[in-house]
Amino acid sequence: DTAVSQTPKYLVTQMGNDKSIKCEQNLGHDTMYWYKQDSKKFLKIMFSYNNKELIINETVPNRFSPKSPDKAHLNLHINSLELGDSAVYFCASSQDERAAGNTEAFFGQGTRLTVV
Amino acid sequence: GEDVEQSLFLSVREGDSSVINCTYTDSSSTYLYWYKQEPGAGLQLLTYIFSNMDMKQDQRLTVLLNKKDKHLSLRIADTQTGDSAIYFCAEKDDKIIFGKGTRLHILP
Repeated sequence: DTAVSQTPKYLVTQMGNDKSIKCEQNLGHDTMYWYKQDSKKFLKIMFSYNNKELIINETVPNRFSPKSPDKAHLNLHINSLELGDSAVYFCASSQDERAAGNTEAFFGQGTRLTVV
Repeated sequence: GEDVEQSLFLSVREGDSSVINCTYTDSSSTYLYWYKQEPGAGLQLLTYIFSNMDMKQDQRLTVLLNKKDKHLSLRIADTQTGDSAIYFCAEKDDKIIFGKGTRLHILP
């Protein structure tokens, strides 16, 4: 009954490959996010989706493309992987910020991507 | 743009209080959060404070908010070895922005 689950937990791949990371939340939240955490543990938002609609797209290379088939899923597809893409990627979800109450973000356990 | 700043390291003796400080720039933030990340794990919400509050206490945790100075602090009383982790300050307006995290190291 994990709230936010992402797969795979570890991903090792060669430069130039295309890979996807999947994320699912069973909390009924309307907003989902992707964050990137680099080797120094700095955490930066990449994308935010609200009800399957992209609402935030930070300065992220076009090689990164989020896909939201429904509001419970936000997958991250990465084309032509580069060494600098190596990081831990966290998926998160929260209730619609326009709703009343606190909109705490719940995080997945992270996907450690290593590009060799 | 929005920015959240916090010191990167803090060392505290076991049993003492830890105080982790954070400053933010977005005055329209509605909520401010403290997240904890243990080694190899995801982020876990520790506590949060609404922007119209000055203080919130939750067991060993005390959050102080100075909205005028845009300063947030987290005090952990009677620090234990299990408190060793990275603590992220975060603010929320239309999106959640995290600080770089403070690594709390517990000295015996």
